[in-house]
Amino acid sequence: AQKVTQAQTEISVVEKEDVTLDCVYETRDTTYYLFWYKQPPSGELVFLIRRNSFDEQNEISGRYSWNFQKSTSSFNFTITASQVVDSAVYFCALSGTYKYIFGTGTRLKVLA
Amino acid sequence: GAGVSQTPSNKVTEKGKYVELRCDPISGHTALYWYRQSLGQGPEFLIYFQGTGAADDSGLPNDRFFAVRPEGSVSTLKIQRTERGDSAVYLCASSSSGQGSYEQYFGPGTRLTVT
Repeated sequence: AQKVTQAQTEISVVEKEDVTLDCVYETRDTTYYLFWYKQPPSGELVFLIRRNSFDEQNEISGRYSWNFQKSTSSFNFTITASQVVDSAVYFCALSGTYKYIFGTGTRLKVLA
Repeated sequence: GAGVSQTPSNKVTEKGKYVELRCDPISGHTALYWYRQSLGQGPEFLIYFQGTGAADDSGLPNDRFFAVRPEGSVSTLKIQRTERGDSAVYLCASSSSGQGSYEQYFGPGTRLTVT
């Protein structure tokens, strides 16, 4: 069975601090895809990144970076120099064929 | 271009009533998904359409839930004899392909409250 665990329910940081959101997954598929989505207070899920299981190269996009490690089944997300606008719930998701399996999300609060 | 739209944004209904939730996917997207998100949880898969047909409805909780996509575009999620436990945000998503590698684009959701 597939499963995604986001153990951090809520994280609070002060603006400009770096923060890492953890994601651990379980799957028996050899080919799979991992995603991060942001859900701001407005409620709409916003796509951030996709990684496939064959590509463990870390990725950086502006203040965002992602660390994918198959050895530990983790796909962690780091925000550098956090800003108040980063406050949202962040979801990690796993897909083998088409449907997503989501974690329970991590609520990030960035305080000014 | 226009994203995924869902109507209504909010729906309050009495226990036992019938409701319909509508999803208008991104134009040209062949794959359409419905998810349900309860408070404090991640979205849970309900049903997946590829074109007009339901390719996987294994996530529908029971036979009170049904969804259609008659022309391969707009989809309607139908809930009969609503129960208080059906209260949740119902999310629709679409993607250009039904393959797992393609990102899904989500609508703003319909918040259903059953009183």
